[in-house]
Amino acid sequence: NAGVTQTPKFRILKIGQSMTLQCAQDMNHNYMYWYRQDPGMGLKLIYYSVGAGITDKGEVPNGYNVSRSTTEDFPLRLELAAPSQTSVYFCATRTGNTGELFFGEGSRLTVL
Amino acid sequence: QQQVKQSPQSLIVQKGGISIINCAYENTAFDYFPWYQQFPGKGPALLIAIRPDVSEKKEGRFTISFNKSAKQFSLHIMDSQPGDSATYFCAAVVGSGNTGKLIFGQGTTLQVKP
Repeated sequence: NAGVTQTPKFRILKIGQSMTLQCAQDMNHNYMYWYRQDPGMGLKLIYYSVGAGITDKGEVPNGYNVSRSTTEDFPLRLELAAPSQTSVYFCATRTGNTGELFFGEGSRLTVL
Repeated sequence: QQQVKQSPQSLIVQKGGISIINCAYENTAFDYFPWYQQFPGKGPALLIAIRPDVSEKKEGRFTISFNKSAKQFSLHIMDSQPGDSATYFCAAVVGSGNTGKLIFGQGTTLQVKP
């Protein structure tokens, strides 16, 4: 039972490149979230999904896109990477019965 | 109104001391207040949580105090240990039973000196 798995763990991008951060869960949770973490800023919600086929914007969605074709996977797409997207990205899941989030170990992205 | 303000940003405590982290919110619709603990290189993990109908919740050395009228809540770590050194986030949720989204505070980096 792996929980929430994020790949890659580290990535360096050049300005203008695109990439996808992968998130997979085996807990059969309906709710999935993408957060970014910047020093002194806490965790900011980028996008979330309440089930397959349903996604919605969070606090900081600009420059990102998501899709949710299955319960298990929730990839985050970065188009035209910018230095402001340098951050640590966390995927999380939730059952919906409680407010508890289960986080992956994060993906550290640097845009140069 | 969706903000959760957390203080202090960093905290140094001697082993055996009490660590106190404070959070304040404005949105009275928040109905669930969890605290998350994060170790370096790891994702946050739920530490303890409280609902607004309770003024205090204790789990081992960790206690949440909740003041609904002041819209404030705090985490107290009693007998702080070096293993408690981590970043702590408070959070607030609207609609915890359904599509609730967690709004996080800015985080507090705690260092417990041996």
